[in-house]
Amino acid sequence: DTEVTQTPKHLVMGMTNKKSLKCEQHMGHRAMYWYKQKAKKPPELMFVYSYEKLSINESVPSRFSPECPNSSLLNLHLHALQPEDSALYLCASSHIDLGNEQFFGPGTRLTVL
Amino acid sequence: GENVEQHPSTLSVQEGDSAVIKCTYSDSASNYFPWYKQELGKGPQLIIDIRSNVGEKKDQRIAVTLNKTAKHFSLHITETQPEDSAVYFCAAGARMRFGAGTRLTVKP
Repeated sequence: DTEVTQTPKHLVMGMTNKKSLKCEQHMGHRAMYWYKQKAKKPPELMFVYSYEKLSINESVPSRFSPECPNSSLLNLHLHALQPEDSALYLCASSHIDLGNEQFFGPGTRLTVL
Repeated sequence: GENVEQHPSTLSVQEGDSAVIKCTYSDSASNYFPWYKQELGKGPQLIIDIRSNVGEKKDQRIAVTLNKTAKHFSLHITETQPEDSAVYFCAAGARMRFGAGTRLTVKP
């Protein structure tokens, strides 16, 4: 199984809502990532988890809160988002760290109203 | 900080022609250089990668060359096919910063 799954595929939320994005992989990878991708732009790294511990936070606002409950799961909790946070949120995983092939999920298309 | 520049931003070729996309990077400590292909509605997918101890790598119609001295690496696609049409991203650096992307269109 070389697939990274993400749910939901689409999400529309208001600025006062709380929602969560979910990501799952069963490849035995010990590094997992959240990226944000705006239209016609490259993916931008947000967070890196290595062995279930947060190792990189790219100065992401606190309204985005990542969580790694176990080695297969990665969540991104969203609260009090702004319309400019609307984007495609991609999850990825890799064997150990950023110096290895990353397997990306299809993403969650988030719209903040 | 890390900087990755990618050119061209758009590339249109006839089916069967070759396509070349180039990236330059600033982080001299970079040692892993992947190329990703992203199709509409999908996440990026690795198509080829190269490590700093290798100058060139081929996989069928796709090749990557690396010049560490000049800090640039290039993607070469030969005998292009319409299904090669997509956005291609390079990446480099300790934080795997992505280039801006190249939209490749292969015309039948």
